[in-house]
Amino acid sequence: QKEVEQNSGPLSVPEGAIASLNCTYSDRGSQSFFWYRQYSGKSPELIMSIYSNGDKEDGRFTAQLNKASQYVSLLIRDSQPSDSATYLCAAPGSGTYKYIFGTGTRLKVLA
Amino acid sequence: SQTIHQWPATLVQPVGSPLSLECTVEGTSNPNLYWYRQAAGRGLQLLFYSVGIGQISSEVPQNLSASRPQDRQFILSSKKLLLSDSGFYLCAWGPQGNHQPQHFGDGTRLSIL
Repeated sequence: QKEVEQNSGPLSVPEGAIASLNCTYSDRGSQSFFWYRQYSGKSPELIMSIYSNGDKEDGRFTAQLNKASQYVSLLIRDSQPSDSATYLCAAPGSGTYKYIFGTGTRLKVLA
Repeated sequence: SQTIHQWPATLVQPVGSPLSLECTVEGTSNPNLYWYRQAAGRGLQLLFYSVGIGQISSEVPQNLSASRPQDRQFILSSKKLLLSDSGFYLCAWGPQGNHQPQHFGDGTRLSIL
């Protein structure tokens, strides 16, 4: 069973701090990884994609991938109350058209 | 650019009534299409996916069905809704090859009374 695992949280951080969200995956064949943000009552919105080992930065967001450790993370710098949401980690299942989603980590940024 | 439309946004239906949710994608050809359900406070449950017209793969046995009558149209149906069918239904599309991310519609919140 191919899995993507996340701590459900909630992860609480003060405004202006760095929020660190983590994800592990079981399928060594996975080549790409995605982070989605889902506000309460809304649909998931893609915020980051990462395809190779190392870091990828986009504004206040940095995605980190370590394929050897099967570990993906998302760092949010200068966290804002508007970042409070559930963050979903996802990967395409290798050899399948399906995507494997984690259950999400709920982030609360405290003003 | 690609867009995905899903409607209605909210639906309240009595138990035993039929269901039809529609999803269309614009700006791309031959997308992979997906239906998910999300219970309150829970993760995404894949219900169906389709890699082409008339090709439907079912992930969870239940009283729902899906159809893809056109390349960019995906329909979720039921002949008789159950209370357990309540939830947030999400349509998504992904390009062929699936190394690129999925993109979601705005979702339909379905309440069964």
